[in-house]
Amino acid sequence: GQQVMQIPQYQHVQEGEDFTTYCNSSTTLSNIQWYKQRPGGHPVFLIQLVKSGEVKKQKRLTFQFGEAKKNSSLHITATQTTDVGTYFCSLDFGNEKLTFGTGTRLTIIP
Amino acid sequence: DGGITQSPKYLFRKEGQNVTLSCEQNLNHDAMYWYRQDPGQGLRLIYYSQIVNDFQKGDIAEGYSVSREKKESFPLTVTSAQKNPTAFYLCATRGGGGETQYFGPGTRLLVL
Repeated sequence: GQQVMQIPQYQHVQEGEDFTTYCNSSTTLSNIQWYKQRPGGHPVFLIQLVKSGEVKKQKRLTFQFGEAKKNSSLHITATQTTDVGTYFCSLDFGNEKLTFGTGTRLTIIP
Repeated sequence: DGGITQSPKYLFRKEGQNVTLSCEQNLNHDAMYWYRQDPGQGLRLIYYSQIVNDFQKGDIAEGYSVSREKKESFPLTVTSAQKNPTAFYLCATRGGGGETQYFGPGTRLLVL
């Protein structure tokens, strides 16, 4: 199957620091989605990126889609304890299914 | 995701037993998916269905079976052939013209 790399696997940050996770594909994507899973919960949709070079913002979260549509990043500015969880990218290669990255687990040190 | 129900929340299975996990949706979505998540891991696709009476194997279908007799329902059976079934099982839907997947609350399966 397609290769999906998400880095880092774990990230521990002091509250107030920034956080970034990266998602990389070996092939061109149709679109990419980002999900957040709180501890003990289920993944919840955050955003979808479709266009090459697209940048979208949701309050303190900034999402980018690479120019070649093979990579994406999620950046959180000034993390808060409510940001704790695992962030997954979900890759759409234009077929019927989505391929999820391995996720980045974010923990916040108060 | 409030329109997706998974039951039970926790399920215990004895070795050699088949168990069936329920997934029901009232979102009128055509596509439904089953994922498996192991502790600290990502989501791996087991089976998916784009339409009633049709389904496709995902990346880790061995030891699992599904049916899609109704649009609203997509039950997953974990058979005795699945040697390491302890995991968190997530059902998801996709439809309404959008690309987003909506997830149910999940079922945690533990083999005794």
